[in-house]
Amino acid sequence: ETGVTQTPRHLVMGMTNKKSLKCEQHLGHNAMYWYKQSAKKPLELMFVYSLEERVENNSVPSRFSPECPNSSHLFLHLHTLQPEDSALYLCASSQDWTSTDTQYFGPGTRLTVL
Amino acid sequence: QKEVEQDPGPLSVPEGAIVSLNCTYSNSAFQYFMWYRQYSRKGPELLMYTYSSGNKEDGRFTAQVDKSSKYISLFIRDSQPSDSATYLCATQGGSEKLVFGKGTKLTVNP
Repeated sequence: ETGVTQTPRHLVMGMTNKKSLKCEQHLGHNAMYWYKQSAKKPLELMFVYSLEERVENNSVPSRFSPECPNSSHLFLHLHTLQPEDSALYLCASSQDWTSTDTQYFGPGTRLTVL
Repeated sequence: QKEVEQDPGPLSVPEGAIVSLNCTYSNSAFQYFMWYRQYSRKGPELLMYTYSSGNKEDGRFTAQVDKSSKYISLFIRDSQPSDSATYLCATQGGSEKLVFGKGTKLTVNP
């Protein structure tokens, strides 16, 4: 295991539901990331947090709302999603976000939007 | 033009074959080059990390970067069924964020 855990591992939700994805890192890192991985597409960086402050938001629709209550935990709150949001959502962490530190990934949450 | 181009495959080879995986990139500011390996139902894990041009070897794996042609490669010698995974190239440089290719799905058949 990489030291980054994600729950739930699988999630099926309707377009009107509200759900949250959780990520926890046990590595003492300062930076945490949310990525979206869709079939036949490169990993897309969604959000970056450094020391609980959001430092990057890559034009992600407002139906995705991140939260970082402390440097070990990261959430992604989901509401009124669309079927095209179905994907694998990966959390990652690294020592710092401004350097080229290795990013360690969690196993991901497989999200299906009906 | 996409920043990193990678043929998604799939690629199927017999056990013991030499595997060549490749990516091209467009931004000459990229200086750091990585290969991640992603097994089914797992997140990507860093496999190889190279700075600037040149080769780096780690066991059966060799990463190669040619900055003049903006071409990065990963070679796997004596491939094993346990090497079956999706391989993602990634690059980064200066203040640029990490940029990934689409990933190539590799199957090594016993």
